[in-house]
Amino acid sequence: SQTIHQWPATLVQPVGSPLSLECTVEGTSNPNLYWYRQAAGRGLQLLFYSVGIGQISSEVPQNLSASRPQDRQFILSSKKLLLSDSGFYLCAWSDRPVVNEAFFGQGTRLTVV
Amino acid sequence: TQLLEQSPQFLSIQEGENLTVYCNSSSVFSSLQWYRQEPGEGPVLLVTVVTGGEVKKLKRLTFQFGDARKDSSLHITAAQPGDTGLYLCAGATEDSNYQLIWGAGTKLIIKP
Repeated sequence: SQTIHQWPATLVQPVGSPLSLECTVEGTSNPNLYWYRQAAGRGLQLLFYSVGIGQISSEVPQNLSASRPQDRQFILSSKKLLLSDSGFYLCAWSDRPVVNEAFFGQGTRLTVV
Repeated sequence: TQLLEQSPQFLSIQEGENLTVYCNSSSVFSSLQWYRQEPGEGPVLLVTVVTGGEVKKLKRLTFQFGDARKDSSLHITAAQPGDTGLYLCAGATEDSNYQLIWGAGTKLIIKP
């Protein structure tokens, strides 16, 4: 069966510091991978998605970047965090074309101080 | 811009009552999904509907896809405190290249 691991679960970082959140998927090959950000109690904002190694699509301009160095690894990064980068970040995968059901990691609560 | 409008945004009811959450759009969806999310965790897929008029049941939850595939509803019968959570609908369209479009969510609280 497929599993998705996302870490860390919580992170407190100072303004201006770098960020690296990692997500790995097991049990599937060539999945679509996604990074979302979620405001408290609200819907999801798609940040990046990837359909293959090295292929990254950005949905919104921002202080963040994403990379996919391996088939089942997706990394969210920033060189210098802003206060506005605080939020709940979710990684997800899908492998069913057209329907695109998403399966999520546990999320990372990022607080920039 | 393709939107999925979800209503109500917030619902607080007593245990044992029934409720319905709606997800509406002007776009036609190839599929629509419902997710449930608890605080501090990722959303969990409840159901996927793909055929206009389709009805799916998951214990006390009934999901319906509109005949025109532009809307969907989630009905909970005899709600229980364990149903508390954030319910999200999401749909895929050809115009979105089948990337999911998300509703803003319905925060549901079931009081014992």
